[in-house]
Amino acid sequence: AQRVTQPEKLLSVFKGAPVELKCNYSYSGSPELFWYVQYSRQRLQLLLRHISRESIKGFTADLNKGETSFHLKKPFAQEEDSAMYYCALEGSNYKLTFGKGTLLTVNP
Amino acid sequence: EAGVVQSPRYKIIEKKQPVAFWCNPISGHNTLYWYLQNLGQGPELLIRYENEEAVDDSQLPKDRFSAERLKGVDSTLKIQPAELGDSAVYLCASSLGTPNTGELFFGEGSRLTVL
Repeated sequence: AQRVTQPEKLLSVFKGAPVELKCNYSYSGSPELFWYVQYSRQRLQLLLRHISRESIKGFTADLNKGETSFHLKKPFAQEEDSAMYYCALEGSNYKLTFGKGTLLTVNP
Repeated sequence: EAGVVQSPRYKIIEKKQPVAFWCNPISGHNTLYWYLQNLGQGPELLIRYENEEAVDDSQLPKDRFSAERLKGVDSTLKIQPAELGDSAVYLCASSLGTPNTGELFFGEGSRLTVL
């Protein structure tokens, strides 16, 4: 079975502060991990994927297989980063499993 | 490009009534997904199509839910009869194919309220 855990339902930081959204996964094989984001009144969209090793909007995420984690980080949060963030795992049969999400609020 | 189009955006029905949701994926996308999103939860897969074939419907409650994707393009998700617990957002998504590198393109969702 594959599972994604996002331990924080809500996360609030001030503008300019570092932010880290936690994601842990459970999967016996070699996973593909992703972060999706949903801004207010917009549809769910892909933010980044671990295989690309890319930085999108200043966000990065490193896959740590030892700790089975894929935390999303940004050194200086901006107000426009306020959104719902979902961690997702693609495991067996190309099935994409989402976590419950973390609502990030960046205060001015 | 319009993206994934879903209708209706909102639907309010009484329990035991039927309801249907329609999805038009991005042109050229062979893979289509229906996800269920309950309040405060992440999306949960109901069914995945590769062209017109349902390749993963293990999470679809088949006693009351059905789906079809005729001609491998548009898809319809039906609930009959609806129950109070079916109140949720039903998301449709599409991707180029599998392996899809995880990039699903989502519609705006259909919000169902069952009274």
